[in-house]
Amino acid sequence: EDKVVQSPLSLVVHEGDTVTLNCSYEVTNFRSLLWYKQEKKAPTFLFMLTSSGIEKKSGRLSSILDKKELFSILNITATQTGDSAVYLCAVEVWGNQGGKLIFGQGTELSVKP
Amino acid sequence: ETGVTQTPRHLVMGMTNKKSLKCEQHLGHNAMYWYKQSAKKPLELMFVYNFKEQTENNSVPSRFSPECPNSSHLFLHLHTLQPEDSALYLCASSQASRLARNEQFFGPGTRLTVL
Repeated sequence: EDKVVQSPLSLVVHEGDTVTLNCSYEVTNFRSLLWYKQEKKAPTFLFMLTSSGIEKKSGRLSSILDKKELFSILNITATQTGDSAVYLCAVEVWGNQGGKLIFGQGTELSVKP
Repeated sequence: ETGVTQTPRHLVMGMTNKKSLKCEQHLGHNAMYWYKQSAKKPLELMFVYNFKEQTENNSVPSRFSPECPNSSHLFLHLHTLQPEDSALYLCASSQASRLARNEQFFGPGTRLTVL
């Protein structure tokens, strides 16, 4: 059975800290890994990673994928209170009927002033 | 705004009611999805439609009935629900293709409470 596991499930930090969120997976027909941010509403897309070792960056957020060890990390540097959210990791699998996303449980990040 | 809208945003219904959730995407995508999000649980994929054809039904109880009249609209018809069906129901769309980036764009969700 396809599985995506995120850790930690929750995290409390102070502004300015750096955090690392983890995502490991076991799936068949892997195609890509995606990170989303959810702030009490619709998940919003952050990154899509398809190749190992290529770091994706967007401001203070960065992510990297290791397809050999089957995991990804999401780094947030110099955290701000606006980074407080649930971060979702999803793996896209592709089959005869097309693609679908398998989601992890999410990591709830709380950034304190 | 992600280009995916959902109505209603909140819904309270009794176990004997019949209601429908609506989703519309303005992105020209060919695939649409229904997800259920319960507290402290991963997003659960319910249904997938590609080019209006249902390609995935993730063992969803028959009290949930999807309808996809065209590639831009998706409905979820609800009847005789149970209190444990209370959750956030999210709709998403994507350009599902082996060649294209397949990130899904989500609507704001419908918060459903079943009494």
